[in-house]
Amino acid sequence: ETGVTQSPTHLIKTRGQQVTLRCSSQSGHNTVSWYQQALGQGPQFIFQYYREEENGRGNFPPRFSGLQFPNYSSELNVNALELDDSALYLCASSSTGLNNEQFFGPGTRLTVL
Amino acid sequence: TQLLEQSPQFLSIQEGENLTVYCNSSSVFSSLQWYRQEPGEGPVLLVTVVTGGEVKKLKRLTFQFGDARKDSSLHITAAQPGDTGLYLCAGGAISNFGNEKLTFGTGTRLTIIP
Repeated sequence: ETGVTQSPTHLIKTRGQQVTLRCSSQSGHNTVSWYQQALGQGPQFIFQYYREEENGRGNFPPRFSGLQFPNYSSELNVNALELDDSALYLCASSSTGLNNEQFFGPGTRLTVL
Repeated sequence: TQLLEQSPQFLSIQEGENLTVYCNSSSVFSSLQWYRQEPGEGPVLLVTVVTGGEVKKLKRLTFQFGDARKDSSLHITAAQPGDTGLYLCAGGAISNFGNEKLTFGTGTRLTIIP
């Protein structure tokens, strides 16, 4: 069984640029959730994708967007990067009917200069 | 907005001691999950509790879900240096199609001194 993978592991961007982060869900899982974790804080829910549609969104602006593909993998896109977007971005996969337990990938560390 | 408060935020104890971490909210959750996170890595799921009053044990770790499903505790017996890490509780709220979104607590950073 393959776990959740994310790429890249680290990324450095400058303010105003755009970034795309990628996530491959665990085998058998159909739902992907994205979280942002600032240094010293707990993860904050960005949004969730199920059946290639956004299924719930946290308190994040529209410049945070995403996609889910037929193979259940997902992308997180952030436009017009701001310094405060510097964080660890975590992807979690889960499956309806399996207690909704979410399994996390290793994360992508984004630094915005 | 659902909020989860964890206490204490930081805890440093000697190897062999016992400890309890608390996770409290004014909101009711459909489930409560506990994770441990190492620096620079993603959270690793330890346990999920779904029934009010439920108690689960994982070796030296005991997890309890409050009767009203608003709070939880994690108790570690005879702590070992390998228990060092950031402990996060997360409350689940059922969204459309039966999926859950998680609201995370602020975390408890635990250090076990050999």
